[in-house]
Amino acid sequence: QSVLTQPPSASGTPGQRVTISCSGSSSNIENNYVYWYHQLPGTAPKLLIYRNNQRPSGVPDRFSGSKSGTSASLAISGLRSEDEADYYCAAWDDSLSSRVFGGGTKLTVL
Amino acid sequence: QLQLQESGPGLVKSSETLSLTCTVSGGSIGRTIYYWGWIRQPPGKGLQWIGSVYYDGTTYYNPSLKTRVTVSVDTSKNQFSLKLISVTAADTAVYYCARLEMDRINAFDIWGQGTMVTVSS
Repeated sequence: QSVLTQPPSASGTPGQRVTISCSGSSSNIENNYVYWYHQLPGTAPKLLIYRNNQRPSGVPDRFSGSKSGTSASLAISGLRSEDEADYYCAAWDDSLSSRVFGGGTKLTVL
Repeated sequence: QLQLQESGPGLVKSSETLSLTCTVSGGSIGRTIYYWGWIRQPPGKGLQWIGSVYYDGTTYYNPSLKTRVTVSVDTSKNQFSLKLISVTAADTAVYYCARLEMDRINAFDIWGQGTMVTVSS
């Protein structure tokens, strides 16, 4: 059972906009930054979003992050087949004194 | 370009110690804005942070693993290491080493390719 809760799956068609949610609590998301990673099959995770809504260089602006209260979201616009991957949210948890991850969301591009 | 590479046994017997090393190339492990960490992923499951180390040896551990984990750094070799004692089947996972940028990003921004470790009975 992950501290951060994500839907196990999401899907969309090419060109569509999809969002992936990440639910937490006051000890993590509400009072700390949220990060998003994506992971293609058989590869290491890659940082997509840091500090709630910032993109590292090289990450397309099709990816955007937001946060409100104890929840955060990752939005992907102009969905492409290469976006099919697992997506993880992450944050620091003050109560656990630990970096925590969500359980991951498998995104399927139909 | 900075690269990280995990190395170590792919098979460990139950109750023994798992030992992995991460070699950093293309940059110094001693830069003050970076921590270095270990993250694992059991087959078909999500990610779990294990622990992180600073170049001066300062460490932070996941409380759920703290009693069994040691992360250390060797700046002369540009390496950092993971030791996990008393392993069980639940420790079977892909183990990743990663750079934790603490200045602007505050996240694991560069990862190794990962190494699969299986705990056998």
